[in-house]
Amino acid sequence: DTGVSQDPRHKITKRGQNVTFRCDPISEHNRLYWYRQTLGQGPEFLTYFQNEAQLEKSRLLSDRFSAERPKGSFSTLEIQRTEQGDSAMYLCASRTRGGRADTQYFGPGTRLTVL
Amino acid sequence: AQSVTQPDIHITVSEGASLELRCNYSYGATPYLFWYVQSPGQGLQLLLKYFSGDTLVQGIKGFEAEFKRSQSSFNLRKPSVHWSDAAEYFCAVESSGYSTLTFGKGTMLLVSP
Repeated sequence: DTGVSQDPRHKITKRGQNVTFRCDPISEHNRLYWYRQTLGQGPEFLTYFQNEAQLEKSRLLSDRFSAERPKGSFSTLEIQRTEQGDSAMYLCASRTRGGRADTQYFGPGTRLTVL
Repeated sequence: AQSVTQPDIHITVSEGASLELRCNYSYGATPYLFWYVQSPGQGLQLLLKYFSGDTLVQGIKGFEAEFKRSQSSFNLRKPSVHWSDAAEYFCAVESSGYSTLTFGKGTMLLVSP
């Protein structure tokens, strides 16, 4: 169990550029979540995958945000035409196929700074 | 919709003193509740969780939490704080749909010598 990993850990970009983040969940976990955390706030749910199916995406912040999990393993989160308001920590979490109250294991996050 | 309130943004505790961090939730059914800790530059680590049974839950690092349905609270406690406990603490409630977590805004714990 190597834990949830995220890459890159830090990303600095200029406004208007596209960015993509990667999340590698714990290997046997079929459920994957993306959250965003801004300064002084708790994490905020963005989207959810079960295997390769994106079952909840209504909480993505705008149509500039998209996520994929093509083979049910790693996932990517893309932000197009970044804005300064997109600056935040983006967290990925995974959990097993079990019932409710199974633990979500979080990765270390990708900190995005938009200049 | 569910929500979580952590009334204290910052708390300072002397090393060796006891700690209580407050959490109030709003949820229509039986809540599944969690406490996570986040150290600077790190992801979230689960301290403990409640979903049924005994309302006093034991977690890692000597933490415990008590679920009180009548008060809609799930307060985190530790009898003796160590300097390494300085971090940000988040309370969360799990939804019944896809088990997404709704977090409070967090409480930053500072430990003084």
